[in-house]
Amino acid sequence: RKEVEQDPGPFNVPEGATVAFNCTYSNSASQSFFWYRQDCRKEPKLLMSVYSSGNEDGRFTAQLNRASQYISLLIRDSKLSDSATYLCVVNLSWGSQGNLIFGKGTKLSVKP
Amino acid sequence: NAGVTQTPKFQVLKTGQSMTLQCAQDMNHNSMYWYRQDPGMGLRLIYYSASEGTTDKGEVPNGYNVSRLNKREFSLRLESAAPSQTSVYFCASSEGSGTQLEKLFFGSGTQLSVL
Repeated sequence: RKEVEQDPGPFNVPEGATVAFNCTYSNSASQSFFWYRQDCRKEPKLLMSVYSSGNEDGRFTAQLNRASQYISLLIRDSKLSDSATYLCVVNLSWGSQGNLIFGKGTKLSVKP
Repeated sequence: NAGVTQTPKFQVLKTGQSMTLQCAQDMNHNSMYWYRQDPGMGLRLIYYSASEGTTDKGEVPNGYNVSRLNKREFSLRLESAAPSQTSVYFCASSEGSGTQLEKLFFGSGTQLSVL
């Protein structure tokens, strides 16, 4: 099953760096998109939704490219605390809880 | 505010044993979910409950049963555990409607090993 694909990483970056992750999805009918963050041995937590127009939350920017079927997450000025695995999540159909597909995640390690 | 609470945190079973994972949420959410997470795999949905009184199969339901006991509680039962069910299990909940549909709140997980 390769409905949602992410580069597993790890991405090893120094503090202050800008890092970007991409996630591709195979179903063009996918309706909504999200980034979750998962710390080591912890539960996933919603980081941000991804809107068609792109959206920003502080140092984090998410973008959606429907034509090429990918979403991206950009982290500026990386902090040590950003070290985590970032999960791309795609909902295949509007209004249905049973169609959330999680990517395998991209691991980020921010070094001093 | 506890959020989503699941128990136990760790469990070791022998093949063929049964057990129930418990999950409760205090956010008055309509929808609840059970996922499993295996190394090298994304989170996979086992079962979900869109609202009290309803349950539906997810991607990997075989070998599991669920009960939506009330709005707060959603349990996952393994009737006859198999080594292939060794995994980390997460319970989650969400408002279940509108733009809050996919905002999932997860419990802290259960590490299950089946020997």
